[in-house]
Amino acid sequence: QSALTQPASVSGSPGQSITISCTGTSSDVGGYNLVSWYQQFPGKAPKVMIYEVNKRPSGESNHFSGSKSGNTASLTISGLQAEDEADYYCCSYAGGGTYVFGTGTKVTVL
Amino acid sequence: EMQLLESGGGLVQPGGSLRLSCAASDFSFRNYAMTWVRQAPGKGLEWVSVIRADGGATNYADSVNGRFTISRDNSKHTLYLQINSLRAEDTAVYYCAKLSCTSISCYQAGFDPWGQGTQVIVSS
Repeated sequence: QSALTQPASVSGSPGQSITISCTGTSSDVGGYNLVSWYQQFPGKAPKVMIYEVNKRPSGESNHFSGSKSGNTASLTISGLQAEDEADYYCCSYAGGGTYVFGTGTKVTVL
Repeated sequence: EMQLLESGGGLVQPGGSLRLSCAASDFSFRNYAMTWVRQAPGKGLEWVSVIRADGGATNYADSVNGRFTISRDNSKHTLYLQINSLRAEDTAVYYCAKLSCTSISCYQAGFDPWGQGTQVIVSS
């Protein structure tokens, strides 16, 4: 149950697009289309932004999108906005009723 | 709006025990698997445990297996986490969250919603 690997930080200017990677193994990310992405503000609970690799909950902004290739999932934030500055975590189903989170990425809007 | 409210956290000495609770409202609690996730100070999220809707199946992260016990009382719409033999590294905010169906493998919609968390501090 090793954590999925994410970059510690990603930054971009308003209006730019950024991508956060989430690398696992064939036992988790690569084995299932069950990757979710969570946004977390300081002192707050996480909130799901993407589920099943690329699906958005109803009401969520379409400037968040997800994808997956092999053992790596990605979250892209298009048209970066100041309010997108937060921590982002991926999480994958890992089989047998177990789950594994990514190491987390701090997004900074320059 | 679906809501989850954790309680039961606090300061406890190493080796001690705590029981965390998560009260659910505004959804049919008995129809959904539930999970616990924790976050140590300044650290990332760590999945802890999951329980099936009827309580008949559970699973744990290796780091807590044998010390933590997840359970639920569907008549009280409440999820529990019994934490024994506490260690300093168990210091964290503990969140409960809902899965999208009855099974412990039901991750189709992610963990949603989450409670606000309850703080556990293990220190002498």
